[in-house]
Formats: sequence, structure tokens, C-alpha cells
Amino acid sequence: DSGVTQTPKHLITATGQRVTLRCSPRSGDLSVYWYQQSLDQGLQFLIQYYNGEERAKGNILERFSAQQFPDLHSELNLSSLELGDSALYFCASSSTDSRMETQYFGPGTRLLVL
Amino acid sequence: AQSVAQPEDQVNVAEGNPLTVKCTYSVSGNPYLFWYVQYPNRGLQFLLKYITGDNLVKGSYGFEAEFNKSQTSFHLKKPSALVSDSALYFCAAYNFNKFYFGSGTKLNVKP
Repeated sequence: DSGVTQTPKHLITATGQRVTLRCSPRSGDLSVYWYQQSLDQGLQFLIQYYNGEERAKGNILERFSAQQFPDLHSELNLSSLELGDSALYFCASSSTDSRMETQYFGPGTRLLVL
Repeated sequence: AQSVAQPEDQVNVAEGNPLTVKCTYSVSGNPYLFWYVQYPNRGLQFLLKYITGDNLVKGSYGFEAEFNKSQTSFHLKKPSALVSDSALYFCAAYNFNKFYFGSGTKLNVKP
């Protein structure tokens, strides 16, 4: 158990809908990272937050947004969902904003868009 | 384009034999390099990382990785494979605020 929690574990929704994925980092960790793992795109880095501020941006679509709250939990919002958004979404946390730090991954949220 | 390549989709090895999972990268500068493992229905787990220094990096569960700058490679190795090592392995590179992941290599260790 990494100490990173993600809810929900599974999510089934329809095209055009909007969903919110939630991540709670390990106690004391200030950085949260979001990743998408899909069959056709593989594993992709989406975005990083550190202590409430956006730190780095990867291949995140404009339909997706994220934020990190004062209690350090983070939410990834996915809107106008398309079939191709079906994937496993991971969050990870680390103690600082340095990419040298080891990241600890949550178990993921499996999203299925029908 | 920046990328990480794992040329083998699958590697099969007998238990007790040495294993190698290959990774090459095409990322500018001096990227940090990582290996992660993913067990079925679970998230990724960190194995090891190379930042600078000794070209042989030791990590979790007896794994090590050899960095070769001239070949831009970062191969994952283990002297003696275990059946429990069977999983999906990802190589990753980080530079300029972005992570690049390989497509993953499925390792099958047979008893």
C-alpha cells in the first residue's frame, strides 16, 4: 500500500458527460501528479501540482482540468467525455516538487466511457 | 520528438535465470531515468532511478539498471528471476518538466 488513495475505483459513464476523479496524497507529500494509461496511448503524464499550484503540464487535453486543494487532495475533472477517454487514471504523490523525488502511485481509477 | 522505447513487448525467462528488460531513450539534455513495475489490477510501483553518478543503479526487489550514455540506454536487470517478478515494466525519462514513458514490457517468469 503506497499511502495514496484514489476514488472511485471504477467509473462508468456516457459520452458527453463530466466526471471528477479524486486523489489523496501520502501524508506529508505536497506534490500530486496525474497520469493516464490507455491501450492506444500507453502511459502519459498529464499534470503536476505542488502545494496548490500547477507546476508542470504534460499531454493534458483542454477538456480536462485539475486542481489541488488546501488540504492537498487533488481532483481531475474530465468533461465532454469521448470514447477515447476510457483509460486508467493514476495519481502519484511525492514530498517535494523535485522530479528527483520518488513518486508513490495510487491504485488508479478505471474510467469507461460508453 | 522526445521518446522512450522499449523494443520488446514481452520477455520470457525461466525462474533462476538472469533477466534483462531493454530501454532506450531519445530525450534531450541529461534526463532522469526511471523504472516502474505494474502488477495486475494495481498501480505503478517505483523500482529505481538514475539521476547522476555510478552507471549501475540498484533498486527494489533485487533489480538493478545499467545506464549507458553513449547508447542512450537504461536496461533493467536482475541476476536471478523469480516467478513473482512477472509483471509489466515501464521505463520513463524526465526532462524539462515532462515525463516520457515507454510502452511497457511484459515480463513472464516461468517456474
